[in-house]
Amino acid sequence: AQSVTQLDSQVPVFEEAPVELRCNYSSSVSVYLFWYVQYPNQGLQLLLKYLSGSTLVESINGFEAEFNKSQTSFHLRKPSVHISDTAEYFCAVSSNTDKLIFGTGTRLQVFP
Amino acid sequence: DTAVSQTPKYLVTQMGNDKSIKCEQNLGHDTMYWYKQDSKKFLKIMFSYNNKELIINETVPNRFSPKSPDKAHLNLHINSLELGDSAVYFCASSQDWKNTEAFFGQGTRLTVV
Repeated sequence: AQSVTQLDSQVPVFEEAPVELRCNYSSSVSVYLFWYVQYPNQGLQLLLKYLSGSTLVESINGFEAEFNKSQTSFHLRKPSVHISDTAEYFCAVSSNTDKLIFGTGTRLQVFP
Repeated sequence: DTAVSQTPKYLVTQMGNDKSIKCEQNLGHDTMYWYKQDSKKFLKIMFSYNNKELIINETVPNRFSPKSPDKAHLNLHINSLELGDSAVYFCASSQDWKNTEAFFGQGTRLTVV
């Protein structure tokens, strides 16, 4: 069985500061990894995903995540955050044999 | 066009009532899901259907009964509602059961009083 852990339940940062949201997973097979974002009172939206190939994946709004197989991690980073990035971020893992499982979420709060 | 739509968006009801939430996707996906998000934002899968067939049924009280009349629709019926059922329920779909990417609806906030 696979699992995913998000170590930080809340991450407060000031605007224009860099941020890293941590995600670690556990699986015995090859995995697919995802970051979803949930803005207040909305559903989840896919931010970026790793399926295969390049281990560094990027989103259109400046986020990036790197698949690190040796550390079983898929941390999400952004060099300079905006107020509008305030949201709940969910890391998720799946595989060809296992259903999609979500982490417990990290609340990113960006302050002016 | 909304890819995954669910109705209603808000639902307030009394304990003991029976209610339904509807979900439709226009993406041509084969697989649909129901997730429950509790007050701490924890997301847990409840059910998954692939081409109208149930493929995932997590430990959910049998008061919850999903129904998929066709692969574009997955409805959730809840009998004898309890206070603990209060949560946000999300419908989602993916191209196939391998979960390469899931598309979510806007959620239904259920409040049981």
